Amino acid sequence: DSGVTQTPKHLITATGQRVTLRCSPRSGDLSVYWYQQSLDQGLQFLIQYYNGEERAKGNILERFSAQQFPDLHSELNLSSLELGDSALYFCASSVAAGQSADTQYFGPGTRLTVL
Amino acid sequence: AQSVTQLGSHVSVSEGALVLLRCNYSSSVPPYLFWYVQYPNQGLQLLLKYTSAATLVKGINGFEAEFKKSETSFHLTKPSAHMSDAAEYFCAVSESTGRRALTFGSGTRLQVQP
Repeated sequence: DSGVTQTPKHLITATGQRVTLRCSPRSGDLSVYWYQQSLDQGLQFLIQYYNGEERAKGNILERFSAQQFPDLHSELNLSSLELGDSALYFCASSVAAGQSADTQYFGPGTRLTVL
Repeated sequence: AQSVTQLGSHVSVSEGALVLLRCNYSSSVPPYLFWYVQYPNQGLQLLLKYTSAATLVKGINGFEAEFKKSETSFHLTKPSAHMSDAAEYFCAVSESTGRRALTFGSGTRLQVQP
């Protein structure tokens, strides 16, 4: 158990819908990262938040957005869903945005299926 | 820009045999390098990481990796495979300056035959 929690574990929805994925980082970790794992794209970095502020952006679509709240949990919002958005979405947390190679601890993921 | 190439999407070894999973990286700045393991229906677990200290890095479960700058490689090895090592392994790179997000390779699925 990494200490990172993600809810829900599974989500099945229809095209055009909007969903919210939730992540709680390990106690004491200030950084949250979101990654998408799909069969065709592999593991891709989406976005990072550090202590409530957006820190870095990766291959995140405009239909996707995220935020980190004062209690440091994070939410990833996916809207106007398409079949191609079906994937495993991971959240990871680390201590800092850091000058050192902080280990990123991964949650168990949320499996999103868009029908 | 940084990238990771993992040679061999599937590797099969016999129980007790040497495990060698290959990873080559490209980075414009000194890299930090990581190996993660993913068991079925689970998240990623860190095996080991290289952060510019010792070039030979020891990790959990008997795995180790050697950073070779001249070859831009960070191959993962284990002297003797166990059935429990069957999983998917990901090599990842991040920049030692700037962005900390991980860039992952495409993964190598390790099968261990009895």
